[in-house]
Amino acid sequence: GAGVSQSPRYKVAKRGQDVALRCDPISGHVSLFWYQQALGQGPEFLTYFQNEAQLDKSGLPSDRFFAERPEGSVSTLKIQRTQQEDSAVYLCASSQGLMDEKLFFGSGTQLSVL
Amino acid sequence: QQQVKQSPQSLIVQKGGISIINCAYENTAFDYFPWYQQFPGKGPALLIAIRPDVSEKKEGRFTISFNKSAKQFSLHIMDSQPGDSATYFCAASNNQAGTALIFGKGTTLSVSS
Repeated sequence: GAGVSQSPRYKVAKRGQDVALRCDPISGHVSLFWYQQALGQGPEFLTYFQNEAQLDKSGLPSDRFFAERPEGSVSTLKIQRTQQEDSAVYLCASSQGLMDEKLFFGSGTQLSVL
Repeated sequence: QQQVKQSPQSLIVQKGGISIINCAYENTAFDYFPWYQQFPGKGPALLIAIRPDVSEKKEGRFTISFNKSAKQFSLHIMDSQPGDSATYFCAASNNQAGTALIFGKGTTLSVSS
């Protein structure tokens, strides 16, 4: 596709529900990043994939957060037993090379946990 | 500890004026300093970036000034236009070590016509 695509665009979950957020990066991009953006804040790093390998997951806030990219293209961010503090916009970004220069971001998934 | 500090939080500039946004960083290992622009409901988009081996980079109306000794860098938007109204984020990373971008908290710019 022409850009990074994320779905769903909006997600409302009841506290305790599990959610799955999808990211379709730009075709051929090696690197894929997930960021969390709280209202009025800058994006905060969650995790990084190089192809199918998850090289850095130091930003995942708890073991309720899990990400995968099994075939080196589409990625899914899963949040188990959602909490109100998980409410945020989840941004996916991809880059052509191994470093994160020239990141291309999707429009994000806005997650609201009630 | 906030590794990238951005100011001001918000900025109002008249059309045709100069917008200046500042960032300070702590980690001297950072070697890549981009600025991203974000419109409501969209993801951030790369605007311009600089490496520490140069003190200034200009692309059209956008200029980054970099002061390595002060650990500061700034974005200047010349001839600001209403279409420039957006949130701007500075960021930094250590590309040598392959670390992810760390973003500032953002500056909301409003350009009045």
